Amino acid sequence: TQLLEQSPQFLSIQEGENLTVYCNSSSVFSSLQWYRQEPGEGPVLLVTVVTGGEVKKLKRLTFQFGDARKDSSLHITAAQPGDTGLYLCAANQTGANNLFFGTGTRLTVIP
Amino acid sequence: GAGVSQSPSNKVTEKGKDVELRCDPISGHTALYWYRQSLGQGLEFLIYFQGNSAPDKSGLPSDRFSAERTGGSVSTLTIQRTQQEDSAVYLCASSLSLGGQVTQYFGPGTRLTVL
Repeated sequence: TQLLEQSPQFLSIQEGENLTVYCNSSSVFSSLQWYRQEPGEGPVLLVTVVTGGEVKKLKRLTFQFGDARKDSSLHITAAQPGDTGLYLCAANQTGANNLFFGTGTRLTVIP
Repeated sequence: GAGVSQSPSNKVTEKGKDVELRCDPISGHTALYWYRQSLGQGLEFLIYFQGNSAPDKSGLPSDRFSAERTGGSVSTLTIQRTQQEDSAVYLCASSLSLGGQVTQYFGPGTRLTVL
């Protein structure tokens, strides 16, 4: 059983398009993180969200934590080829120190 | 650089052999984590170390897997009697402290292939 489900699993879009990827669970989390991973490298943290309903922006990326702290979305505006990569959400349950990772969304932005 | 380093970057072994994977965390980071990433899957937590406390081994998939951290710094993940299903990328991460809100810094991983 996967604690965090991400959708879509694969996404291929043209440069300049907008996209949203989702991270869903039936569990409540104390915090949620989004990472991007490029081939041959480890994941790199993009953002941490803590409060239900929280919205954070990182240039063209907008992250939202669901009101009930069970889900999150990542929206990219005007995607660029440099956005290509594997996007992973990861969450921490209250009292736990390890992260649970989602299955990932593999994004390809075509120039 | 001052990032997390892992060695070897690639390891090919035969079924039944033992392998050791090494992780050098960022200097000063007290917490160290090991994850496994299989093809098409997200990261699977294996084990973490925090300072001198007993490690949390709850994610280790079988007793063939073990890890140690010497002197609070370098860590070694050992897989005994490797099986084909052990083939994956093994990632190490370190952080200043424990907790889900802290930033974990990942190494580039070791790609293990068991023939």
